[in-house]
Amino acid sequence: DSGVTQTPKHLITATGQRVTLRCSPRSGDLSVYWYQQSLDQGLQFLIQYYNGEERAKGNILERFSAQQFPDLHSELNLSSLELGDSALYFCASSVEGSGGLDTQYFGPGTRLTVL
Amino acid sequence: GQQVMQIPQYQHVQEGEDFTTYCNSSTTLSNIQWYKQRPGGHPVFLIQLVKSGEVKKQKRLTFQFGEAKKNSSLHITATQTTDVGTYFCAGPTDKLIFGTGTRLQVFP
Repeated sequence: DSGVTQTPKHLITATGQRVTLRCSPRSGDLSVYWYQQSLDQGLQFLIQYYNGEERAKGNILERFSAQQFPDLHSELNLSSLELGDSALYFCASSVEGSGGLDTQYFGPGTRLTVL
Repeated sequence: GQQVMQIPQYQHVQEGEDFTTYCNSSTTLSNIQWYKQRPGGHPVFLIQLVKSGEVKKQKRLTFQFGEAKKNSSLHITATQTTDVGTYFCAGPTDKLIFGTGTRLQVFP
């Protein structure tokens, strides 16, 4: 158990809908990262927040947005969903904001299925 | 942008055989991290290498960072069925760039 929690575990929805994925980082970690992993694919970095502020951005679509709240939990909002958005979405956390130097601890992921 | 490639993409071995995955970056890295993802699981941090030419061992796993800090390798000696999973290397820019991963299958 990494100490990072993600809800829900599974999400099934229809095209055009909007969903919110939630992540609680490990106690004491200030940074939260979001990744997308499609079937048999690698980990695609989406976005990083550090202590409430956006720190780094990856290949995140404009239909997707995220935020980190004062209690450090984070939410990833996916809207106008398309079939191709079906994937595993991982949240990870680390102590500091230097994304490339910190060890990242991953949550169990949310499996999103868009029908 | 920076790319981190791994080879091979897949490797099937008989239990007891050795296994190596190679990681190559298009740019020099300040450090490299390795993660393992079991089937149906999430990535788990294995190790971080920082120094040029650094070699670290974890039981049957040997990690190496290249002299030019652009490549790395993970070698598993005498694989076991518990080694099954996908091994990712990851290198930093302002964020961590994950390699394409090597999926290891071990047959008993």
